[in-house]
Amino acid sequence: AQRVTQPEKLLSVFKGAPVELKCNYSYSGSPELFWYVQYSRQRLQLLLRHISRESIKGFTADLNKGETSFHLKKPFAQEEDSAMYYCALSPRGGGDKIIFGKGTRLHILP
Amino acid sequence: NAGVTQTPKFRVLKTGQSMTLLCAQDMNHEYMYWYRQDPGMGLRLIHYSVGEGTTAKGEVPDGYNVSRLKKQNFLLGLESAAPSQTSVYFCASSYFGTVNTEAFFGQGTRLTVV
Repeated sequence: AQRVTQPEKLLSVFKGAPVELKCNYSYSGSPELFWYVQYSRQRLQLLLRHISRESIKGFTADLNKGETSFHLKKPFAQEEDSAMYYCALSPRGGGDKIIFGKGTRLHILP
Repeated sequence: NAGVTQTPKFRVLKTGQSMTLLCAQDMNHEYMYWYRQDPGMGLRLIHYSVGEGTTAKGEVPDGYNVSRLKKQNFLLGLESAAPSQTSVYFCASSYFGTVNTEAFFGQGTRLTVV
């Protein structure tokens, strides 16, 4: 079955500490993987896509096809990183809908 | 570039009333989705559409109906609202292709059923 698993509902990290939000996926083909961020009372917005391999707001994510993981990392957490983070999978070429994980709430402690 | 627009932004309904939420996208996307997000919770897929004239059930479809008569619009209907349907509703759309297939989201509709 196709699914995206984010094992942590809530992650609390001290300011300045490293952050790692976990994402594992199950998909038989070669999907596109994304991370979305949702700040308080705002819409979801795209943070990263695996194809671009870029760093946005200090966050990076590497696709590990062997472990079917796409963890989101940041070396030094900032208070403004507090938000809800969603991992998502899109089957390239269509054929099925985008699948979102349940989300992880990141809480940065002062 | 408007992207995905939801109407209305806020609404208060009485139990048993009906209403329709409108989602419009100007990116010529094939896929459109309706989600609900309860306080402190993640997204749950209500219904989705893979093209004009087609709809499919998601994770929590009961109590909702949808229609996609035009490619750019996706309507979500509540025939008889219940307090359990108090939530924030998000619409999204995405492209049918091999790259850049991410979802674009609307700003959300805050619905309260009293």
